[in-house]
Amino acid sequence: DAKTTQPNSMESNEEEPVHLPCNHSTISGTDYIHWYRQLPSQGPEYVIHGLTSNVNNRMASLAIAEDRKSSTLILHRATLRDAAVYYCIPSLIQGAQKLVFGQGTRLTINP
Amino acid sequence: ETGVTQTPRHLVMGMTNKKSLKCEQHLGHNAMYWYKQSAKKPLELMFVYSLEERVENNSVPSRFSPECPNSSHLFLHLHTLQPEDSALYLCASSQDGASSYNEQFFGPGTRLTVL
Repeated sequence: DAKTTQPNSMESNEEEPVHLPCNHSTISGTDYIHWYRQLPSQGPEYVIHGLTSNVNNRMASLAIAEDRKSSTLILHRATLRDAAVYYCIPSLIQGAQKLVFGQGTRLTINP
Repeated sequence: ETGVTQTPRHLVMGMTNKKSLKCEQHLGHNAMYWYKQSAKKPLELMFVYSLEERVENNSVPSRFSPECPNSSHLFLHLHTLQPEDSALYLCASSQDGASSYNEQFFGPGTRLTVL
Protein backbone atom coordinates (compact mmCIF):
# COMPACT_ATOMS: atom_id res chain seq x y z
CA ASP A 1 0.00 0.00 0.00
CA ALA A 2 1.25 3.47 -0.85
CA LYS A 3 2.15 5.64 2.13
CA THR A 4 0.40 9.01 2.37
CA THR A 5 1.32 12.21 4.18
CA GLN A 6 -1.34 14.77 5.06
CA PRO A 7 -1.25 17.73 7.46
CA ASN A 8 -2.72 16.79 10.83
CA SER A 9 -5.00 19.80 10.83
CA MET A 10 -6.04 22.83 8.79
CA GLU A 11 -8.29 25.78 9.43
CA SER A 12 -10.25 27.97 7.07
CA ASN A 13 -13.10 30.46 7.04
CA GLU A 14 -16.62 29.91 5.85
CA GLU A 15 -17.25 30.65 2.15
CA GLU A 16 -13.53 30.65 1.35
CA PRO A 17 -11.77 28.00 -0.78
CA VAL A 18 -9.85 25.25 0.97
CA HIS A 19 -6.95 23.31 -0.50
CA LEU A 20 -6.17 20.04 1.27
CA PRO A 21 -2.82 18.53 0.19
CA CYS A 22 -1.76 14.90 0.14
CA ASN A 23 1.64 13.42 -0.68
CA HIS A 24 1.69 9.86 -2.01
CA SER A 25 5.16 9.56 -3.50
CA THR A 26 5.14 5.72 -3.53
CA ILE A 27 1.87 5.43 -5.43
CA SER A 28 1.83 2.71 -8.07
CA GLY A 29 0.88 3.38 -11.66
CA THR A 30 -2.49 1.64 -11.34
CA ASP A 31 -3.57 3.16 -8.03
CA TYR A 32 -6.38 5.68 -8.09
CA ILE A 33 -6.47 8.48 -5.52
CA HIS A 34 -9.60 8.33 -3.41
CA TRP A 35 -10.78 10.96 -0.96
CA TYR A 36 -13.20 10.25 1.84
CA ARG A 37 -14.24 12.46 4.74
CA GLN A 38 -15.63 11.72 8.17
CA LEU A 39 -17.99 14.23 9.73
CA PRO A 40 -18.22 14.30 13.54
CA SER A 41 -20.03 11.27 14.98
CA GLN A 42 -20.55 9.72 11.55
CA GLY A 43 -18.95 7.08 9.38
CA PRO A 44 -16.76 8.18 6.48
CA GLU A 45 -18.33 9.28 3.20
CA TYR A 46 -16.94 9.27 -0.32
CA VAL A 47 -15.86 12.62 -1.74
CA ILE A 48 -14.07 12.10 -5.06
CA HIS A 49 -11.51 9.96 -6.86
CA GLY A 50 -9.17 10.25 -9.84
CA LEU A 51 -6.26 8.64 -11.68
CA THR A 52 -4.35 11.25 -13.70
CA SER A 53 -6.64 14.04 -14.83
CA ASN A 54 -8.19 16.65 -12.60
CA VAL A 55 -11.73 15.76 -11.57
CA ASN A 56 -14.76 17.75 -10.49
CA ASN A 57 -18.00 16.75 -8.87
CA ARG A 58 -20.71 18.48 -6.87
CA MET A 59 -18.76 18.19 -3.63
CA ALA A 60 -15.20 19.08 -4.61
CA SER A 61 -12.42 19.16 -7.18
CA LEU A 62 -9.34 16.96 -7.23
CA ALA A 63 -6.11 18.28 -8.69
CA ILE A 64 -3.51 15.58 -9.38
CA ALA A 65 0.14 16.45 -9.96
CA GLU A 66 1.61 15.43 -13.29
CA ASP A 67 3.97 12.94 -11.62
CA ARG A 68 1.06 11.67 -9.48
CA LYS A 69 3.13 11.94 -6.31
CA SER A 70 0.76 14.42 -4.78
CA SER A 71 -2.81 15.62 -5.06
CA THR A 72 -4.96 18.40 -3.67
CA LEU A 73 -8.60 18.27 -2.72
CA ILE A 74 -10.29 21.61 -3.32
CA LEU A 75 -13.46 22.75 -1.60
CA HIS A 76 -14.46 25.84 -3.55
CA ARG A 77 -16.61 27.54 -0.90
CA ALA A 78 -16.31 25.91 2.49
CA THR A 79 -19.35 25.72 4.74
CA LEU A 80 -19.56 24.79 8.40
CA ARG A 81 -20.83 21.39 7.30
CA ASP A 82 -17.46 20.71 5.64
CA ALA A 83 -15.73 20.49 9.02
CA ALA A 84 -14.49 16.89 9.05
CA VAL A 85 -11.44 14.65 8.87
CA TYR A 86 -10.38 14.24 5.23
CA TYR A 87 -8.60 11.07 4.12
CA CYS A 88 -6.54 10.64 0.97
CA ILE A 89 -6.26 6.96 -0.03
CA PRO A 90 -4.28 5.57 -2.98
CA SER A 91 -5.80 2.25 -4.00
CA LEU A 92 -6.61 0.07 -6.96
CA ILE A 93 -10.09 0.18 -8.38
CA GLN A 94 -11.34 -3.30 -7.63
CA GLY A 95 -14.61 -4.95 -6.95
CA ALA A 96 -14.46 -5.10 -3.18
CA GLN A 97 -12.35 -2.05 -2.41
CA LYS A 98 -9.80 -2.59 0.36
CA LEU A 99 -9.30 0.95 1.62
CA VAL A 100 -6.35 1.71 3.91
CA PHE A 101 -7.07 4.87 5.89
CA GLY A 102 -4.30 7.05 7.29
CA GLN A 103 -4.58 9.73 9.97
CA GLY A 104 -6.17 12.26 7.64
CA THR A 105 -6.45 16.04 7.97
CA ARG A 106 -8.85 17.52 10.49
CA LEU A 107 -10.43 20.56 8.83
CA THR A 108 -11.92 23.28 11.02
CA ILE A 109 -14.17 25.91 9.45
CA ASN A 110 -14.57 29.24 11.22
CA PRO A 111 -17.87 31.13 10.87
CA GLU B 1 -28.93 8.54 5.93
CA THR B 2 -26.50 6.45 3.92
CA GLY B 3 -28.64 3.33 3.49
CA VAL B 4 -26.47 1.39 5.92
CA THR B 5 -27.81 0.86 9.43
CA GLN B 6 -26.03 -0.55 12.45
CA THR B 7 -27.39 -1.83 15.74
CA PRO B 8 -26.87 -1.31 18.53
CA ARG B 9 -25.38 2.19 18.36
CA HIS B 10 -23.78 1.76 21.79
CA LEU B 11 -22.76 -1.40 23.61
CA VAL B 12 -21.09 -1.99 26.96
CA MET B 13 -19.95 -5.52 27.70
CA GLY B 14 -17.82 -7.40 30.14
CA MET B 15 -14.85 -9.48 29.09
CA THR B 16 -16.73 -12.74 29.54
CA ASN B 17 -19.86 -11.71 27.63
CA LYS B 18 -20.88 -12.75 24.14
CA LYS B 19 -22.58 -10.13 21.98
CA SER B 20 -23.20 -9.45 18.31
CA LEU B 21 -23.12 -6.33 16.18
CA LYS B 22 -25.54 -6.13 13.28
CA CYS B 23 -25.27 -4.27 10.00
CA GLU B 24 -27.93 -4.02 7.31
CA GLN B 25 -27.65 -2.31 3.94
CA HIS B 26 -30.64 -1.20 1.85
CA LEU B 27 -28.66 -0.31 -1.28
CA GLY B 28 -28.66 -3.59 -3.19
CA HIS B 29 -24.91 -3.95 -2.78
CA ASN B 30 -23.06 -7.26 -2.78
CA ALA B 31 -19.92 -6.41 -0.80
CA MET B 32 -19.79 -5.60 2.90
CA TYR B 33 -16.98 -4.58 5.25
CA TRP B 34 -16.14 -4.29 8.95
CA TYR B 35 -13.75 -1.56 10.11
CA LYS B 36 -12.44 -0.72 13.56
CA GLN B 37 -11.73 2.87 14.65
CA SER B 38 -9.83 3.16 17.93
CA ALA B 39 -9.04 6.42 19.64
CA LYS B 40 -5.97 8.02 18.11
CA LYS B 41 -5.55 5.27 15.49
CA PRO B 42 -6.60 5.25 11.85
CA LEU B 43 -9.56 3.25 10.63
CA GLU B 44 -8.51 -0.39 10.24
CA LEU B 45 -10.12 -2.76 7.77
CA MET B 46 -11.06 -5.99 9.56
CA PHE B 47 -13.09 -8.13 7.18
CA VAL B 48 -14.39 -7.97 3.62
CA TYR B 49 -17.23 -10.03 2.21
CA SER B 50 -18.05 -10.19 -1.48
CA LEU B 51 -21.05 -12.16 -2.72
CA GLU B 52 -21.38 -13.53 0.83
CA GLU B 53 -17.87 -15.01 0.83
CA ARG B 54 -15.10 -13.69 3.03
CA VAL B 55 -12.34 -12.31 0.80
CA GLU B 56 -10.22 -10.52 3.38
CA ASN B 57 -9.33 -11.15 7.00
CA ASN B 58 -6.75 -8.64 8.17
CA SER B 59 -5.10 -10.70 10.92
CA VAL B 60 -8.05 -10.13 13.21
CA PRO B 61 -8.06 -12.12 16.49
CA SER B 62 -10.46 -15.06 16.62
CA ARG B 63 -12.49 -13.41 19.39
CA PHE B 64 -14.05 -11.45 16.50
CA SER B 65 -16.13 -13.70 14.27
CA PRO B 66 -17.92 -12.27 11.22
CA GLU B 67 -20.99 -13.75 9.57
CA CYS B 68 -22.64 -12.76 6.29
CA PRO B 69 -25.87 -14.77 5.88
CA ASN B 70 -26.97 -12.84 2.79
CA SER B 71 -25.89 -9.82 0.78
CA SER B 72 -27.91 -7.39 2.91
CA HIS B 73 -26.77 -8.42 6.38
CA LEU B 74 -23.45 -8.61 8.15
CA PHE B 75 -22.79 -9.57 11.75
CA LEU B 76 -19.76 -9.34 13.99
CA HIS B 77 -19.90 -11.84 16.85
CA LEU B 78 -17.86 -10.88 19.90
CA HIS B 79 -16.64 -13.12 22.72
CA THR B 80 -14.07 -12.82 25.48
CA LEU B 81 -13.04 -9.36 24.38
CA GLN B 82 -10.32 -7.28 26.00
CA PRO B 83 -10.57 -3.64 27.17
CA GLU B 84 -8.29 -2.63 24.25
CA ASP B 85 -11.04 -3.81 21.89
CA SER B 86 -13.11 -0.81 22.93
CA ALA B 87 -13.61 1.21 19.75
CA LEU B 88 -16.07 2.39 17.13
CA TYR B 89 -16.97 -0.48 14.79
CA LEU B 90 -18.05 0.66 11.37
CA CYS B 91 -19.82 -1.31 8.69
CA ALA B 92 -19.74 -0.37 5.01
CA SER B 93 -21.12 -1.72 1.75
CA SER B 94 -20.38 -1.30 -1.93
CA GLN B 95 -21.20 -2.86 -5.25
CA ASP B 96 -18.61 -5.43 -6.28
CA GLY B 97 -18.45 -4.98 -10.04
CA ALA B 98 -15.55 -4.27 -12.38
CA SER B 99 -17.45 -2.04 -14.76
CA SER B 100 -17.92 1.04 -12.60
CA TYR B 101 -16.52 2.83 -9.60
CA ASN B 102 -17.67 1.31 -6.35
CA GLU B 103 -17.62 3.83 -3.53
CA GLN B 104 -18.22 2.53 -0.06
CA PHE B 105 -21.20 3.65 1.99
CA PHE B 106 -20.64 3.59 5.74
CA GLY B 107 -23.04 3.14 8.60
CA PRO B 108 -22.94 5.33 11.71
CA GLY B 109 -21.01 2.74 13.73
CA THR B 110 -21.42 0.91 17.03
CA ARG B 111 -19.52 2.42 19.96
CA LEU B 112 -18.25 -0.59 21.95
CA THR B 113 -16.91 -0.37 25.49
CA VAL B 114 -15.35 -3.46 27.06
CA LEU B 115 -15.08 -3.36 30.85
